[in-house]
Amino acid sequence: EAGVVQSPRYKIIEKKQPVAFWCNPISGHNTLYWYLQNLGQGPELLIRYENEEAVDDSQLPKDRFSAERLKGVDSTLKIQPAELGDSAVYLCASSLGRYTDTQYFGPGTRLTVL
Amino acid sequence: SQQGEEDPQALSIQEGENATMNCSYKTSINNLQWYRQNSGRGLVHLILIRSNEREKHSGRLRVTLDTSKKSSSLLITASRAADTASYFCATASGYALNFGKGTSLLVTP
Repeated sequence: EAGVVQSPRYKIIEKKQPVAFWCNPISGHNTLYWYLQNLGQGPELLIRYENEEAVDDSQLPKDRFSAERLKGVDSTLKIQPAELGDSAVYLCASSLGRYTDTQYFGPGTRLTVL
Repeated sequence: SQQGEEDPQALSIQEGENATMNCSYKTSINNLQWYRQNSGRGLVHLILIRSNEREKHSGRLRVTLDTSKKSSSLLITASRAADTASYFCATASGYALNFGKGTSLLVTP
């Protein structure tokens, strides 16, 4: 069974540029999560989807961040424009059911904003 | 928000020794999960313990949960160099899984 796929693995951009991250969850997993992980910290939830619906986006900085999950499968997280403080690892995870279930993480995208 | 807090922040042991790390949290939980993260990689689920369980085993892992003290511990027995990683506890409460800052474990040959 294929795991959660993320691309790109690494991204270096200059500040004020846009950037997008892509995630393909495990087949059949209804719930998809985007997390942000700063160095030396645990993951922090940005947004949670149940199928196509964003059910928890309270921690997503909506002035510059946006996300979508078309057809309830793949998801894209976008930052526009990027700021220096956005440098972090962006993790995607999926679970079969609710947030209380085991979550399966992708390898993450390491973003560096110069 | 990061509800769980792991202790110690860093732990260094030799192969064959046991490693114990602790997690404390603040609010009532549905379950508590432990994850491992190798350097530069995603998180891997290790074990889940429900709020009505007190102890759970999986291979060389033993997890305890004390809801009265709002704490959990993860014991790794007979550690190996491959166990070197960061370990995170995550509490399922409210509408999210909340991760702590992690314990960095180094196992030397």
